[in-house]
Amino acid sequence: DTEVTQTPKHLVMGMTNKKSLKCEQHMGHRAMYWYKQKAKKPPELMFVYSYEKLSINESVPSRFSPECPNSSLLNLHLHALQPEDSALYLCASSQGQGHNQPQHFGDGTRLSIL
Amino acid sequence: GQQLNQSPQSMFIQEGEDVSMNCTSSSIFNTWLWYKQDPGEGPVLLIALYKAGELTSNGRLTAQFGITRKDSFLNISASIPSDVGIYFCAGQRTGANSKLTFGKGITLSVRP
Repeated sequence: DTEVTQTPKHLVMGMTNKKSLKCEQHMGHRAMYWYKQKAKKPPELMFVYSYEKLSINESVPSRFSPECPNSSLLNLHLHALQPEDSALYLCASSQGQGHNQPQHFGDGTRLSIL
Repeated sequence: GQQLNQSPQSMFIQEGEDVSMNCTSSSIFNTWLWYKQDPGEGPVLLIALYKAGELTSNGRLTAQFGITRKDSFLNISASIPSDVGIYFCAGQRTGANSKLTFGKGITLSVRP
């Protein structure tokens, strides 16, 4: 069982909807990450939070809005998404960004945009 | 962005066989990681390597951090059906804005 928990597991939404993806970890990790993954491809980094502050934004469109309410939680707010945004969205955490400790991934949210 | 070189894209082996897969880069990494991903799940960390030349085992899995720090290999011995999945290598550098760099992944199929 993964120690990074993501909800919901599946999400279907229309292009005008607003929804949020949630991620939680209780390992005391201070870095948290959002990735997008298309089928049979490696994960692509979207955002990194380090000590609850946004550290990296990989030029992600503004229709994706991350939020880190506290050191255990990471949200990804979605609004006006496009069909090409359909993918598996993975959350990960690590002890700290820049350390050599590995990232641990959740099982992802499978997002489908109608 | 940069990707690590992992090939072939797919491998087909017979149950009980050993299999080796490697990962190469044009630049140096401080940490090498191997993940396995099953359908509908996130990548699961198999082995982490922190030092050039390091050889680490996890059950039937053995991985090595290349001496040049530009490559790593993963060996699976006596394969079983549940070894099926996609195997990703990833490299990481220390530093304030460090990120994981992934290989394209190898899809492993095991014939019973």
